[in-house]
Amino acid sequence: TQLLEQSPQFLSIQEGENLTVYCNSSSVFSSLQWYRQEPGEGPVLLVTVVTGGEVKKLKRLTFQFGDARKDSSLHITAAQPGDTGLYLCAGPYSSASKIIFGSGTRLSIRP
Amino acid sequence: DAGVIQSPRHEVTEMGQEVTLRCKPISGHNSLFWYRQTMMRGLELLIYFNNNVPIDDSGMPEDRFSAKMPNASFSTLKIQPSEPRDSAVYFCASSLSLTGELFFGEGSRLTVL
Repeated sequence: TQLLEQSPQFLSIQEGENLTVYCNSSSVFSSLQWYRQEPGEGPVLLVTVVTGGEVKKLKRLTFQFGDARKDSSLHITAAQPGDTGLYLCAGPYSSASKIIFGSGTRLSIRP
Repeated sequence: DAGVIQSPRHEVTEMGQEVTLRCKPISGHNSLFWYRQTMMRGLELLIYFNNNVPIDDSGMPEDRFSAKMPNASFSTLKIQPSEPRDSAVYFCASSLSLTGELFFGEGSRLTVL
């Protein structure tokens, strides 16, 4: 059982479309991180959200942390082929002593 | 600036052989993590160190797995004996703190035949 459930698992959309991916948990997290991983590489941090209800923007990417700090979403506006990759949410677990990862959303943007 | 360096990038071995994966964390980072990634199970935390001391190895699947961090600039993950189900990409990551931004290496892809 994953502590952090991500949905959808796979998403393939046309360039220019908008999309939202989700990260959900039954547990409260003090913060959540979003990473992107490209083939043959390790994950790279995109953003960390800390406060319930917080919204952070990174160019065309908008990240939101749920009010209860149990969920987060990533919205991409006007997706581009360069957005293709595996998107992972992660958070500190077990008395905030280690980072665990969600199951991931594999995103493919068709030109 | 050098990132996290892992070796080897690829390893193909036969069942029963010993495998040693190596990691050099970013200088100044106090925390080091070993993760394993597979399509079925995603990214799993195996073990992590803080200031060279193992903090939690509850993610290590079996006694066949062991990890050491003899100094601040080097860590190893050893599998002995290896089995086909150990085939995965093994990532090392380092961080300034246990819950801070993780900086990952490029991974070691292990195939056990």
